[in-house]
Amino acid sequence: QVQLVQSGAEVREPGASVKVSCKASGYTFTTYHVHWVRQAPGQGLEYMGIINPSGVTNYAQKFQGRVTMTSDTSTSTVYMELSSLRSEDTAVYYCARELPGSFNFDYWGRGTLVTVSS
Amino acid sequence: QTVVTQEPSLTVSPGGTVTLTCASSTGAVTSGYYPNWFQQKPGQAPRALIYSTSNRHSWTPARFSGSLLGGKAALTLSGVQPEDEAEYYCLLYYGGGYVFGTGTKVTVL
Repeated sequence: QVQLVQSGAEVREPGASVKVSCKASGYTFTTYHVHWVRQAPGQGLEYMGIINPSGVTNYAQKFQGRVTMTSDTSTSTVYMELSSLRSEDTAVYYCARELPGSFNFDYWGRGTLVTVSS
Repeated sequence: QTVVTQEPSLTVSPGGTVTLTCASSTGAVTSGYYPNWFQQKPGQAPRALIYSTSNRHSWTPARFSGSLLGGKAALTLSGVQPEDEAEYYCLLYYGGGYVFGTGTKVTVL
């Protein structure tokens, strides 16, 4: 069955970076895009960006310069690294897959809580 | 900055019908925005319900339907069940990027 398994919770100090992983299984990894979405405590969903199977990325303007998404096809894992963390980056970070051109975010990871605190 | 607006909250009786809408600050929502709808319950990841305006996933109950209504994307819940109480989010495509709606809290009472 399709699964997107995310890495565990992280705690970082302001100014640091965090790298969250999303390991795919149950489907052909190189066939799908992966999107990243975050949700601050008690808030709505916020779109962060996409990485395609070839490693091409497109980031939401808000995160450009601070986010880097990468892909490791050998382990079917996608990574999202966010730098220069501030308290407002405290959130649950989700990955979700999309078949290219389908505009269909069908399967999601369970989320990774990132806490930014001194 | 593009804003996608949903009703903050709606209340519906069990067995009733409720329609949620999703409006874009840029103008009328069309099929070219490929509206998606997601359900989220407390402490859980979002669950996909509808994609490309009106297509259900294999796991989406038939009581959920998507459409375009008066220049907005719409999600209609018919024959509402207690387990439908949740937050609902729409997602719109803007030529290379996506924006989520503000979310609607649906209460079944």
